[in-house]
Amino acid sequence: DSGVTQTPKHLITATGQRVTLRCSPRSGDLSVYWYQQSLDQGLQFLIQYYNGEERAKGNILERFSAQQFPDLHSELNLSSLELGDSALYFCASSVAPSGSEAFFGQGTRLTVV
Amino acid sequence: QKEVEQDPGPLSVPEGAIVSLNCTYSNSAFQYFMWYRQYSRKGPELLMYTYSSGNKEDGRFTAQVDKSSKYISLFIRDSQPSDSATYLCAMSEYSGGGADGLTFGKGTHLIIQP
Repeated sequence: DSGVTQTPKHLITATGQRVTLRCSPRSGDLSVYWYQQSLDQGLQFLIQYYNGEERAKGNILERFSAQQFPDLHSELNLSSLELGDSALYFCASSVAPSGSEAFFGQGTRLTVV
Repeated sequence: QKEVEQDPGPLSVPEGAIVSLNCTYSNSAFQYFMWYRQYSRKGPELLMYTYSSGNKEDGRFTAQVDKSSKYISLFIRDSQPSDSATYLCAMSEYSGGGADGLTFGKGTHLIIQP
């Protein structure tokens, strides 16, 4: 158990809908990262928050957004969902902001139908 | 050219063999190098973390980084069937007080035959 908790584990929704994925980082970790994993693209970095503020952006679509709350949990919002958004979404956390030694949660499997 | 190249495998070896997994990269700014193990449908698990060039050993696992060749390796000694998984290399820049995510290889699927 990495100590990073993600909910829900599975999500099935229709195209055009909006969903929210939730992540609780390890105790003491200030950085939260979101990644998308699909079969053809592998693990892709989406966005990072550090102590409540956005620190880095990767390949995140404009339809996607995230935030980190004062208690350090984070939410990833996906809107206007398309079939191609079906993937595993992982949250990771680390103490440092540099991205090293990041620990991953078990992921949310999103299926858009 | 992709930033990080990793042979997808599958790589199949008999139990007890020494396994060598490799990644090459093109971005000379990468300074942090990691290996993750991912079982099917699970989250990646951090195995090894190395800063800059050199070797690091942890039990049956050894990580090597050669920044001059832009090449990293993970060796697994006395491989076990439970080592069967996908192994992902990951890298990160140090961006001078800023922050960045990890850049991953696509992973090598390893099968240890009993």
